[in-house]
Amino acid sequence: AQSVAQPEDQVNVAEGNPLTVKCTYSVSGNPYLFWYVQYPNRGLQFLLKYITGDNLVKGSYGFEAEFNKSQTSFHLKKPSALVSDSALYFCAVSAPMDSSYKLIFGSGTRLLVRP
Amino acid sequence: DGGITQSPKYLFRKEGQNVTLSCEQNLNHDAMYWYRQDPGQGLRLIYYSQIVNDFQKGDIAEGYSVSREKKESFPLTVTSAQKNPTAFYLCASSIDLGAGANVLTFGAGSRLTVL
Repeated sequence: AQSVAQPEDQVNVAEGNPLTVKCTYSVSGNPYLFWYVQYPNRGLQFLLKYITGDNLVKGSYGFEAEFNKSQTSFHLKKPSALVSDSALYFCAVSAPMDSSYKLIFGSGTRLLVRP
Repeated sequence: DGGITQSPKYLFRKEGQNVTLSCEQNLNHDAMYWYRQDPGQGLRLIYYSQIVNDFQKGDIAEGYSVSREKKESFPLTVTSAQKNPTAFYLCASSIDLGAGANVLTFGAGSRLTVL
């Protein structure tokens, strides 16, 4: 069964510093990988996705993520954090070989950027 | 503007009562989904629908029911059989299932509290 893990409940970083939010996955075959962000009491917003091709994916608001097949990881990164980046971040995976095409979400990582 | 509208935003229910959460989309999307969000557990899929008059159970369908009589609408009923219904409920849609590769658009959510 496919699964996704976000090992950190919270990540703290100072404004202007680089940030990394970690994600690892387990699927049969090649994965489709996504990052979503959630602001308080709101729905999720799409940031970026990896389907195929270049391992480095660029997304909204200056975020990027690198697909690493050997380490089964898809970490979210940003070179310089903003206070407004503070939110809850979710990694998600789906497996084309799974005929239900369900998207499985990680438990979320809260990012806190301090001024 | 196109999007997903969920109502009500907040809902209180007494034990033993059924309650229906509304989800309407004007994105002309074929696929619609219901997720439940609990603190520290990420999002879990309740039901999803690929097309009008068809829907499938997700991972935690027990105690819930849905209908898809119109393309735009996918209401969720939380029945009295749901043992722990207090949660944040998110409705989402995508163009189609897209073999799991399509981006989901989310509504702002409905917070249900059982008194």
